[in-house]
Amino acid sequence: NAGVMQNPRHLVRRRGQEARLRCSPMKGHSHVYWYRQLPEEGLKFMVYLQKENIIDESGMPKERFSAEFPKEGPSILRIQQVVRGDSAAYFCASSRQGAPEQFFGPGTRLTVL
Amino acid sequence: RKEVEQDPGPFNVPEGATVAFNCTYSNSASQSFFWYRQDCRKEPKLLMSVYSSGNEDGRFTAQLNRASQYISLLIRDSKLSDSATYLCVVKILYGNNRLAFGKGNQVVVIP
Repeated sequence: NAGVMQNPRHLVRRRGQEARLRCSPMKGHSHVYWYRQLPEEGLKFMVYLQKENIIDESGMPKERFSAEFPKEGPSILRIQQVVRGDSAAYFCASSRQGAPEQFFGPGTRLTVL
Repeated sequence: RKEVEQDPGPFNVPEGATVAFNCTYSNSASQSFFWYRQDCRKEPKLLMSVYSSGNEDGRFTAQLNRASQYISLLIRDSKLSDSATYLCVVKILYGNNRLAFGKGNQVVVIP
């Protein structure tokens, strides 16, 4: 039973470019969450999605960041016009309907040059 | 005030010893509580859920004190492989699945 999958595992972008991070939830999981971990910091919630719906985006920066979870395919976290401060590990988690436990993918480490 | 507060440590523990640490949470309406383990530069892995009555999983024991709003984790007979950062995690609001993470307790088990 495959766990949560994320790709790419490492992503390098220059300032001003776009970053696209992908997440496929565990089989049977319909809820997806994105978290960001800055160096030496704890994980911070960004957004919670179900298929074709954004349920809670209270942790998303107001500009440049967007997320989607289409009917088919993985969830995408998109960062436009990246800046150095976006350099971080971005973790995706998934859960079953009605279950509180979340399971994490291996993360995407974004480096902005 | 932070949603979840933990003393980062490090906690240097001789192999075979017992180590305990706790965290506090600020929102009294918090519904679910967990301990996750995070190894260096890896993803958090669920260690155990924490129930009101307290629960044990092998060498690990978790306790919840709702009145004082703190959660504890005790590790008995520490192994070298227990070296990791232990994250205290709280689900904040009923109906909202957002998790709030502490910064973690760093445990280093010394031979």
